[in-house]
Amino acid sequence: GAGVSQSPRYKVAKRGQDVALRCDPISGHVSLFWYQQALGQGPEFLTYFQNEAQLDKSGLPSDRFFAERPEGSVSTLKIQRTQQEDSAVYLCASSLMDAGNTEAFFGQGTRLTVV
Amino acid sequence: AQSVAQPEDQVNVAEGNPLTVKCTYSVSGNPYLFWYVQYPNRGLQFLLKYITGDNLVKGSYGFEAEFNKSQTSFHLKKPSALVSDSALYFCAVSPDNFNKFYFGSGTKLNVKP
Repeated sequence: GAGVSQSPRYKVAKRGQDVALRCDPISGHVSLFWYQQALGQGPEFLTYFQNEAQLDKSGLPSDRFFAERPEGSVSTLKIQRTQQEDSAVYLCASSLMDAGNTEAFFGQGTRLTVV
Repeated sequence: AQSVAQPEDQVNVAEGNPLTVKCTYSVSGNPYLFWYVQYPNRGLQFLLKYITGDNLVKGSYGFEAEFNKSQTSFHLKKPSALVSDSALYFCAVSPDNFNKFYFGSGTKLNVKP
């Protein structure tokens, strides 16, 4: 499809389990972002990639969170030893990031519930 | 530091009436401002942006926003609301390298028939 695709759409994990969330950005988009959106809140920045380079990971809440984009396209957000406070919607976005195209396009998100 | 404030959790308006959703921002450097809309079970959808130039920006679905530098505001407006405009609206600001977007907490717009 033409948009940002995320999988799975829903994930239920037992506390302590590791999870991996996938993002397929729009083809050709240089920039890729991960955001965390708690219920009733605005999205909070997690990390940013320009091609395969992770240029900013200042928003990752702990060292249990890890993101990669090895070939500059698909990205994976991994959460190790999930905790209940990790329950949220994880949004991926991509952008062309050229002079006229600065907006980010978001996927539908992965809703993670840790039980 | 960059931040965005949306002072209203909810805005109620009757169909056909004008609507305004408020946003104020705090940035160090030039403000690059965006509005996104989120429908239930849908991703955030881009509505409009201000980068430079004319303070009145027009976007999708008849929405517009006015950049006011002195008041550090970027309010979203529409002359005549539709029931289908009911959704969650987010204002966002980006630093000038566009490597991060800071979002407000969102405003729920309810348009009643």
